Amino acid sequence: AQTVTQSQPEMSVQEAETVTLSCTYDTSESDYYLFWYKQPPSRQMILVIRQEAYKQQNATENRFSVNFQKAAKSFSLKISDSQLGDAAMYFCAYRSAFTGNQFYFGTGTSLTVIP
Amino acid sequence: DAGVTQSPTHLIKTRGQQVTLRCSPKSGHDTVSWYQQALGQGPQFIFQYYEEEERQRGNFPDRFSGHQFPNYSSELNVNALLLGDSALYLCASSLAMSEGAGTQYFGPGTRLLVL
Repeated sequence: AQTVTQSQPEMSVQEAETVTLSCTYDTSESDYYLFWYKQPPSRQMILVIRQEAYKQQNATENRFSVNFQKAAKSFSLKISDSQLGDAAMYFCAYRSAFTGNQFYFGTGTSLTVIP
Repeated sequence: DAGVTQSPTHLIKTRGQQVTLRCSPKSGHDTVSWYQQALGQGPQFIFQYYEEEERQRGNFPDRFSGHQFPNYSSELNVNALLLGDSALYLCASSLAMSEGAGTQYFGPGTRLLVL
C-alpha cells in the first residue's frame, strides 16, 4: 500500500508571512494524484489544492501553491500571506490513477497562525 | 449546491451495540467513500460504494458494513462495537466518471464515542 508521510506534526507562522508544509509519499506507480486538504476545528475537510502527477507545472490556487518533485516523491504546500483563517490541520493525500479510488492520507500538520 | 451531509453529528454507544451512520452525497455525485479518523490521525479508508455495490474495501473487519441506495445516499453499519471504534467517521463523495483526479468532497463527520 502507498504511504504518505508528513514529518511536521505542528507548524506556526506569523500572520501575513509564508509557510511551507512538507509531504512525502512512497509509490511505485507512474501516474497518480496528490491533494492537500484542510480540516479546521469545525472538522469538515476542505480541498485546498490538487496536482496530477503527469503535469509538470505546479498547481496554484490563490495564496496556495505546491512544489511537486516527482523524482523525490515530495509534495509540499506553500501558503503565502497567511491569514488567521488558515489555522487548521492540513492533510496530504495520495490517490492512484490505476488501482482504485482509495485516498491515502498522512497524519497531518497542525498549523497555528500567530496574529 | 448542497454539499455532503452526514447524520447524526454525535453518537454515544456502549460496547457490543450496533450503530448506523448516514451520508448524502454532494449533488450530482454517485460514489460514496467512508473513512475512520481516530483522534490525532489522518483518515483511514473503510470502503467505497458505487452503483449500490461495495467497490473497494480497506483493512477493516467484517463488523463494518455498508449500503448504498438508488439515490446514491449511503449508510455505514458497525456491529459489536469496541472501544477502539471511537472515532470521527467521515463520508466523502465523488463522481465515478469524472476526468482527472476523482476529487473526494467530505462531509462534516459523525463523532462516535463507544463507552
